[in-house]
Amino acid sequence: NAGVTQTPKFQVLKTGQSMTLQCAQDMNHEYMSWYRQDPGMGLRLIHYSVGAGITDQGEVPNGYNVSRSTTEDFPLRLLSAAPSQTSVYFCASSSPRQNYGYTFGSGTRLTVV
Amino acid sequence: AQRVTQPEKLLSVFKGAPVELKCNYSYSGSPELFWYVQYSRQRLQLLLRHISRESIKGFTADLNKGETSFHLKKPFAQEEDSAMYYCALRPQGGKLIFGQGTELSVKP
Repeated sequence: NAGVTQTPKFQVLKTGQSMTLQCAQDMNHEYMSWYRQDPGMGLRLIHYSVGAGITDQGEVPNGYNVSRSTTEDFPLRLLSAAPSQTSVYFCASSSPRQNYGYTFGSGTRLTVV
Repeated sequence: AQRVTQPEKLLSVFKGAPVELKCNYSYSGSPELFWYVQYSRQRLQLLLRHISRESIKGFTADLNKGETSFHLKKPFAQEEDSAMYYCALRPQGGKLIFGQGTELSVKP
């Protein structure tokens, strides 16, 4: 089992560029989420999904889009990158069958210059 | 409002000393609470959840609904416990809300 796989691990973008962070899970989990981790701010929820075709906003959704066309994949799109989006991004998945204990990916370190 | 507060950014103790990492939550319903740990350069891992009433790596946490707290405790800290610890609240559905995190440093 690969668990939760995130790609890429590192990325440098120029201001205004767009990109997609990939996230895939092979555990047939219903729930998937994206977080950003910043020093002193903990993990903040960007978007989450409770199943294929269903997404909702978290605490800091501005500047990000998501879609959930399959159970396995939950990509995060940055529409027009800004330096404020420099962060470490984590994808996670969960299931009621596991008492909602989230499994995390290894993270993507994004720098916007 | 749904919120998790970890008042200490950094907690430094000596090996063998007791540890208590504080977590308070704000939620009007029946909460589900978790502790996650992130060791240096590793991904976040689930440490324990209140619903299981378990003890993992010597850590325990008790939900106190009166004080809206879910503090993490360990009687004797070890150097390998040094890590970032996050308290998290699941208010409903699949959403999970995290606190700001507490860095635990255990000195020899």
